[in-house]
Amino acid sequence: AQKITQTQPGMFVQEKEAVTLDCTYDTSDQSYGLFWYKQPSSGEMIFLIYQGSYDEQNATEGRYSLNFQKARKSANLVISASQLGDSAMYFCGTQGGSEKLVFGKGTKLTVNP
Amino acid sequence: EAGVAQSPRYKIIEKRQSVAFWCNPISGHATLYWYQQILGQGPKLLIQFQNNGVVDDSQLPKDRFSAERLKGVDSTLKIQPAKLEDSAVYLCASSMGTSGDEQYFGPGTRLTVT
Repeated sequence: AQKITQTQPGMFVQEKEAVTLDCTYDTSDQSYGLFWYKQPSSGEMIFLIYQGSYDEQNATEGRYSLNFQKARKSANLVISASQLGDSAMYFCGTQGGSEKLVFGKGTKLTVNP
Repeated sequence: EAGVAQSPRYKIIEKRQSVAFWCNPISGHATLYWYQQILGQGPKLLIQFQNNGVVDDSQLPKDRFSAERLKGVDSTLKIQPAKLEDSAVYLCASSMGTSGDEQYFGPGTRLTVT
């Protein structure tokens, strides 16, 4: 069984600063993927970044990077130079083998001007 | 490229009534997913289709929920009869393949059961 834990219900950051959103996971699969999605108030889930369990380097996509620490089962999302448009819910998810994608409860990020 | 389309965007029904949601995935995507997102939680997979076959429906309450994907393209999700606890956002997503492929989500249908 897979499980995602996001311990921060809400986070606040000043515009232009960096912020880290925490995610820990639990899975029995040897090969798995880790995902981060953004959900603005409009409701649509927007894919941000993916990390494979065997990827040696941390994934990066523009201002998003994933701090992957396999031994600690941690996959934190780092957003650099926060923008007002980054205010949204952020969901971490994991999927292994032929398993379904399982999401955490999410973190609400608020970017202050 | 057109995204995942869903309709209706909002629906209000009384308990014990029936309701249906429609999803049109991105063209060429073989896999289609229906998720239920209850307020304050992450999306939970209800059913996954690959082409027109069911891959995973282990979390679908089959006594009241049903889904089909005719011809491997559009899909409908039905609830009959609805309960108060079915109030949620129903998200449809699609992907090229299955495991590890990025899933593209639609805008969702917000269902309120009174």
